[in-house]
Amino acid sequence: QKEVEQNSGPLSVPEGAIASLNCTYSDRVSQSFFWYRQYSGKSPELIMSIYSNGDKEDGRFTAQLNKASQYVSLLIRDSQPSDSATYLCAVTGGGNKLTFGTGTQLKVEL
Amino acid sequence: DVKVTQSSRYLVKRTGEKVFLECVQDMDHENMFWYRQDPGLGLRLIYFSYDVKMKEKGDIPEGYSVSREKKERFSLILESASTNQTSMYLCASSPTWEEQYFGPGTRLTVT
Repeated sequence: QKEVEQNSGPLSVPEGAIASLNCTYSDRVSQSFFWYRQYSGKSPELIMSIYSNGDKEDGRFTAQLNKASQYVSLLIRDSQPSDSATYLCAVTGGGNKLTFGTGTQLKVEL
Repeated sequence: DVKVTQSSRYLVKRTGEKVFLECVQDMDHENMFWYRQDPGLGLRLIYFSYDVKMKEKGDIPEGYSVSREKKERFSLILESASTNQTSMYLCASSPTWEEQYFGPGTRLTVT
């Protein structure tokens, strides 16, 4: 079982819709959770972090964490073509390191 | 803004060559990391360092070594490059090892 799992996609949403990206993790002691955005040919860029259960909002982005169910999600409201990218979920694990999922490709269509 | 730079965007080397990839950060971060990214495998940690002259193996250290002589600089060394080391190499730095900031990456091709 992978430590951090994401659906590879592509997830296609129309412009203006809400995009919902999901991530599950296996290590129950994980404490910190991050979402990175990676455009094609570019490096990952940190866009959200969340540390406690519930929702955290930042502009059009909302991160949701449910530690009991071991999942974290990212909602993107009013999706724009510029949001088309691969979104990586990252979770803290043992040994002072992040474990990354393989990413979900999001396509926002006009 | 955090600035992480890597010495080359694209690099082509021959099998058996010694390869140096350099990473520099300007935010006085304690922690620095080297990853490789391959399609379908995601980001995999090669080595990391939490202080000058300190290093720790990541998940896939075989065939690699690192050097951190100064706080701002972290080098990845491929002792004898092989074709299975063709990949995108990403350096990151962090003040706390959790929130990591990535450089632009080096796409290395070994022929």
